Parts: sequence; C-alpha cells; structure tokens
Amino acid sequence: DIQMTQSPSSLPASVGDRVTITCRASRTISNYLNWYQQKPGKAPKLLIYAASTLQSGVPSRFSGSGSGTDFTLTISSLQPEDFATYYCQQSYDTPRNFGQGTKLEIK
Amino acid sequence: QVQLQESGPGLVKPSESLALTCSVSGGSISSYYWSWIRQPPGKGPECIGYIYHSGSTNYNPSFKSRATISLDTSKNQFFLKLNSVTAADTAVYYCARLVDSPMVPQDYFDYWGQGTLVTVSS
Repeated sequence: DIQMTQSPSSLPASVGDRVTITCRASRTISNYLNWYQQKPGKAPKLLIYAASTLQSGVPSRFSGSGSGTDFTLTISSLQPEDFATYYCQQSYDTPRNFGQGTKLEIK
Repeated sequence: QVQLQESGPGLVKPSESLALTCSVSGGSISSYYWSWIRQPPGKGPECIGYIYHSGSTNYNPSFKSRATISLDTSKNQFFLKLNSVTAADTAVYYCARLVDSPMVPQDYFDYWGQGTLVTVSS
C-alpha cells in the first residue's frame, strides 16, 4: 500500500495568512494526488485533483503543487470559511489511501 | 446534481454484520464507480472498496474478505456488508462516487453522502 503522511497535523493561522500544508507519499505517485476539505459533521469536499487542477467552483486562493512523492496545498489568503481539516489522497494505486489530515485552526 | 444518501442501523453488536445502503438520485449508477469510505472518530478517511456499474469490485486488502459491495441498478442503490465487526469498525460510513477526470487520466471522489455513524457495541 502507498502510505500518505501529512504535516503539520494542526496549523494555527489567522484570517489573511498564507498557509501551506504538505503531503508525502511513501513511494512515487507522479501527480496522482487529490486534496479534500472537511468541515465538522460534513463529508469531505474535493478541492484539487491531479495535484494542481482546481475542481470547478473552488476559489482560486487554493492551489496545489508537487510531483513524485512531495506535494503541497497552499491557501493564499485565509478566509473564515477555510478553517477546516484538509486531507490528501493518492489515486495512483489501490487502495486509494488518504492522509491523516491537517486541521487548520484559528490562532 | 447527484445526491447520495446512506441508510442502515446505527448500532451493531460485535461479531455481527454491518449492512448499509446507498441510494443515488440525480444520476444513474449505470456509469462510474461507486465506493464505500469510512472515517473512525478523529482519523482520516479509509476507502473500503468500490464497485463498477458492471458489478466488478475492488476491495482494500485491510478488510480481507470481510467486506462485500454489491449494487442494484433497478433501484439505483449500492450496498455494503461488513462481517464479523468489532469495536474498531465504529466509524462514520460514507458512500461516494469515484469518477475518472474528463481532463486527465486520473480519478477522484467527487460526490459524497452525508455519512452515517455506525457504532459497534453490545
């Protein structure tokens, strides 16, 4: 199985901050990497697929980059509605594993 | 707009079977892959497996032979059965659509149900 490791596990930040979340795969996955946002009591929501392609309707302040084993999700200017937990997920191989999550918290 | 809705018992006894139904509206399950994903309290999601509209399945080896996913195209529903449950199977269970991107040869989970909490306890 391909294991996905995110860092940090929690990230205190303020509205307007630029934040970056990192995801590392246990072996190379090219750009087969998706990012999701999850708010409490809700299902995950797809933000980015293929490492850097924004899903329709997702604000442009979200961006993704990376290839191989190392990936990042960046939010250019945090908005109040962005405080949530973010997960990466690889689509290179089965099982389709997710990271353990990064919780974006209000500083 | 595709919508998915999970249903099933919220409480299952240890060693028994968990059975969930996902009802799909706003689109036919006669296309795409349909998956079950669970999320234990405070942890990341875990893909249990998925089924293609043809009936072919793919399971996470972590569930060995405990999980069975099936579908009924006439009812636009698909199902999860998980045998021999323990407390470790307590989680929110989601059904989701796994779709190939029209832009690149990759897939992602684009539509999810709201999730249903299943507790395993005597």
